[in-house]
Amino acid sequence: EAGVAQSPRYKIIEKRQSVAFWCNPISGHATLYWYQQILGQGPKLLIQFQNNGVVDDSQLPKDRFSAERLKGVDSTLKIQPAKLEDSAVYLCASSFKGSGSHTDTQYFGPGTRLTVL
Amino acid sequence: AQKVTQAQTEISVVEKEDVTLDCVYETRDTTYYLFWYKQPPSGELVFLIRRNSFDEQNEISGRYSWNFQKSTSSFNFTITASQVVDSAVYFCALKTDSWGKFQFGAGTQVVVTP
Repeated sequence: EAGVAQSPRYKIIEKRQSVAFWCNPISGHATLYWYQQILGQGPKLLIQFQNNGVVDDSQLPKDRFSAERLKGVDSTLKIQPAKLEDSAVYLCASSFKGSGSHTDTQYFGPGTRLTVL
Repeated sequence: AQKVTQAQTEISVVEKEDVTLDCVYETRDTTYYLFWYKQPPSGELVFLIRRNSFDEQNEISGRYSWNFQKSTSSFNFTITASQVVDSAVYFCALKTDSWGKFQFGAGTQVVVTP
């Protein structure tokens, strides 16, 4: 079974530029998550989708970050404009059952390492 | 509030030594779920184990074992006879009914040298 796919793996941009990350979850997984992982820290949830609806985006900096999951499968996370402090690894994860099941295990992709200069 | 503390920033061992990673959690929920993930240099978080709050049975899987103690709010992880491939960052995470999100600890870097 294929895992969670993410692209690109690495991205370097100048501050104030825009960037987009793509995620393809495990087939059949209803829930998709985007995390931000700053160096030396644990991942922090940015947004959670259940199919194509947003379940939780309370920690998403909405003035510059946006995400969508239009057809309930792939998802895109965008940063516009980027700041130096956005340098981090952006991880995508998916789970099968949905947000109501707290026993649901999340499976992670390899991440996109973003460097903002 | 939910909180996960991994007090050990880095642990260095020589191959074949045992290594124990500490995880202490805080929650007021009576039902919660604890997880351990491994993050090798490639960056992907690999799921290792999930434990429910109502199941305090310890578990062994190959060279890995987990000790869950509700009385001390700890969920410690031991690697027996460590190998170089065990070198990674290990994260403990907590999920509760009221919070609904994963709360990750800061991670413990394990370095295993030959």
